This record gives sequence, C-alpha cells and structure tokens, in this order.
Amino acid sequence: GAVVSQHPSRVICKSGTSVKIECRSLDFQATTMFWYRQFPKQSLMLMATSNEGSKATYEQGVEKDKFLINHASLTLSTLTVTSAHPEDSSFYICSAPDRASSYNEQFFGPGTRLTVL
Amino acid sequence: GQSLEQPSEVTAVEGAIVQINCTYQTSGFYGLSWYQQHDGGAPTFLSYNALDGLEETGRFSSFLSRSDSYGYLLLQELQMKDSASYFCAVHSGGYQKVTFGIGTKLQVIP
Repeated sequence: GAVVSQHPSRVICKSGTSVKIECRSLDFQATTMFWYRQFPKQSLMLMATSNEGSKATYEQGVEKDKFLINHASLTLSTLTVTSAHPEDSSFYICSAPDRASSYNEQFFGPGTRLTVL
Repeated sequence: GQSLEQPSEVTAVEGAIVQINCTYQTSGFYGLSWYQQHDGGAPTFLSYNALDGLEETGRFSSFLSRSDSYGYLLLQELQMKDSASYFCAVHSGGYQKVTFGIGTKLQVIP
C-alpha cells in the first residue's frame, strides 16, 4: 500500500513557540491531504483539508490563523501550530487518499505527538 | 454535518465473534470505512463499503445498508492482538473527506 510519513514523530516545546509538522506521501501524489487531531482516548477530529496549490479548508471551530497549512507540492503538506499553548498538546495525524486505490482508502501517517509545556 | 454512533466499549472472548455496529447521518455520502487503531499508533484501514451488502476480508467482514444508514464490522476467530479501538468513518463531500466515529474499544479476553 501507499506510504505516508510524518516528521517529527514527537516534539516537546515551550508555550508560545511555533511548531511545524510535515506530512509526505512517499510513493504517490496527493492533491488532497487531511489533518486530524486526537486527544487521549478520543476520536480523530478532522481539522482541515489541505489542497495542493490552493487554500486549505478548515472545519468549524478550527482557527486558521493558529493552524497554518501549506500544501506546496503534490507530496508535501505542512501544519504549523503557531504560538502553541498546553491545550494544543495532542496527537496530530495526517492522511492522504491514494486515488489509485480501489477502496478509497485513506493512508495515515504515523502521527506526531505534540507536548507543549 | 456528519454524525456517527458506535458503542464505546466491547469485551469478547478469544476465539469468539464480535459485531460492532455503526449508525450515521451525513449528506453527500460516498461510503463507510472501518479503521483499527492500537494504543499510540495511527489508524490502519480495514474495509470500505460503498454499496449495500457484506464485504469479507479474511477474519473481518463489513456490512452496509445505505437505506438504513447503518453498517457493522464483524470480527471472527478473535485473537488477543485484535484488542484495539475500531472506528467507523463516513466518506462524504467533494473531497471525500473522512469523518470518524468515537471509536469502539474492543478488549479480547482469554
């Protein structure tokens, strides 16, 4: 199956700093990627849809100025958490659909665990 | 918007069969997926149903009834390693975004 990578896998930062998370599709092109956030023992909450070459589409309640998304190429989307605070501590996961997949399968990255002190 | 309902927890015995139900409400429905997630890991794809009926993949089967907005995941010959959270997810909208249910935590006991 298709492979999606994320970097970093884990990051600890001080409150007020910005953190950038990368999501890459390694063996397929992804015009669309999705960013999710998952708090402990909860479901994955869709934050935004990242579109190559255009602005991201944010879900209701997600601050676009706080969670900056850039989808600069067909294989890379980045999520920047600006001025991070402890309440932003979470597991951030990206996914990308491989249009070649007959099952409309979403391929997930391994996730990035963000801890804001 | 989208909403999904599934049980929060299920316990089953090793070797048994367990069914996890999912009901949903959404517009622009394309299909229903099931994902497995072990603690600390990313979700992994199990199945996808776009049409009514049963899809079988090894020990796992998934069912969809579009008219009832209902689906289920059936796990047979349960193994201890099947202990994980199972999410149903609806695919909808122009970009086929995926919206996840709350997840069902399955505990397989000896």
